[in-house]
Amino acid sequence: EDKVVQSPLSLVVHEGDTVTLNCSYEVTNFRSLLWYKQEKKAPTFLFMLTSSGIEKKSGRLSSILDKKELFSILNITATQTGDSAVYLCAVPFITQGGSEKLVFGKGTKLTVNP
Amino acid sequence: KAGVTQTPRYLIKTRGQQVTLSCSPISGHRSVSWYQQTPGQGLQFLFEYFSETQRNKGNFPGRFSGRQFSNSRSEMNVSTLELGDSALYLCASSGLAGGGEQYFGPGTRLTVT
Repeated sequence: EDKVVQSPLSLVVHEGDTVTLNCSYEVTNFRSLLWYKQEKKAPTFLFMLTSSGIEKKSGRLSSILDKKELFSILNITATQTGDSAVYLCAVPFITQGGSEKLVFGKGTKLTVNP
Repeated sequence: KAGVTQTPRYLIKTRGQQVTLSCSPISGHRSVSWYQQTPGQGLQFLFEYFSETQRNKGNFPGRFSGRQFSNSRSEMNVSTLELGDSALYLCASSGLAGGGEQYFGPGTRLTVT
């Protein structure tokens, strides 16, 4: 069965710490992996990764994919209280009909304390 | 560009009733996906519509249905509501069919009493 597993499920750190969030997946015909940040409402798109070993970076956030070991990590350096959110990982799966649907992990809830 | 909009934002219904939620995608986007989010199960895929056709369906009972109109707006209907249907219902739009970069609306918080 295709699935996406995130770890840890929750994390509490202090401002300034660096955190690493993990996402592993099992899927046939892998195409991409996406990271989202969800605060109180809608998930907002962070990164889409398609190639192994190429880091995507946006400010203090960065992410990398390992297609051989079937996982991705999301790094946040110098964390701030505004980084507190649930971080979701998602992978498109190909259905029997040949189309794709996004399957999400359960998320990592990050709390950054001042 | 305006983002994805969903209405209503909050809804309280009683068991046995039915509900219709609406989603307007980003202009130009033809794919609309619906998700149910609960604390225990996380984000679960309900269905996806592209060009008025349902392309994918998640593992939800037949009480959950949807449709998409020619202007790409989509509605989701849940009949015979159960307490367990209480959740945040999120809609996401994409310029492409299926997975890939999706943009989420603010969600509709449904409470079933």
